Amino acid sequence: DTEVTQTPKHLVMGMTNKKSLKCEQHMGHRAMYWYKQKAKKPPELMFVYSYEKLSINESVPSRFSPECPNSSLLNLHLHALQPEDSALYLCASSRRNEQFFGPGTRLTVL
Amino acid sequence: DQQVKQNSPSLSVQEGRISILNCDYTNSMFDYFLWYKKYPAEGPTFLISISSIKDKNEDGRFTVFLNKSAKHLSLHIVPSQPGDSAVYFCAASGLYSNTGKLIFGQGTTLQVKP
Repeated sequence: DTEVTQTPKHLVMGMTNKKSLKCEQHMGHRAMYWYKQKAKKPPELMFVYSYEKLSINESVPSRFSPECPNSSLLNLHLHALQPEDSALYLCASSRRNEQFFGPGTRLTVL
Repeated sequence: DQQVKQNSPSLSVQEGRISILNCDYTNSMFDYFLWYKKYPAEGPTFLISISSIKDKNEDGRFTVFLNKSAKHLSLHIVPSQPGDSAVYFCAASGLYSNTGKLIFGQGTTLQVKP
């Protein structure tokens, strides 16, 4: 089983809204990731959690706030986003260096 | 500075023929390489990987070749099928870097014509 699930599939939010993206994996992977992907571009790493601790923050603005409640779950809390933050947000988990991606959340900020 | 480069933005091949996607890297510390396939509005799907201690890895219709001296890898798809039409990303990492960070190329859009 190499499934990473993400909810919601689509999200439309205003610039003053607070919303959360959720990610779940049951493969026993101890590293989880958030990526942002714009059209026709490669995934851009945002955060890495290793053993439920934040290990990498790629200088992401504070309006994005990650959270890892347990080894299977990863959240991304969103607040006061800008229209340029509209993108596909991908979650991944990894066994060594093979990362397995979820289907993504298509976020539109109005 | 792009450490992983896919110099061909697009590739078109006929169904049944071989597709060859290329990737170059500059960082000699990379020792693990991966290929992902991505359909529009979906997450990337892991295809195949190769460690720097090997020069070839095969999985069904997919074979990855690594030329360390040239810092070049390629993905061969034989035979190509219309369902293979997608964007293909190569990615590189340091296997023992402990960061889990993948460096992606810009992607190559493959179109397989029936």
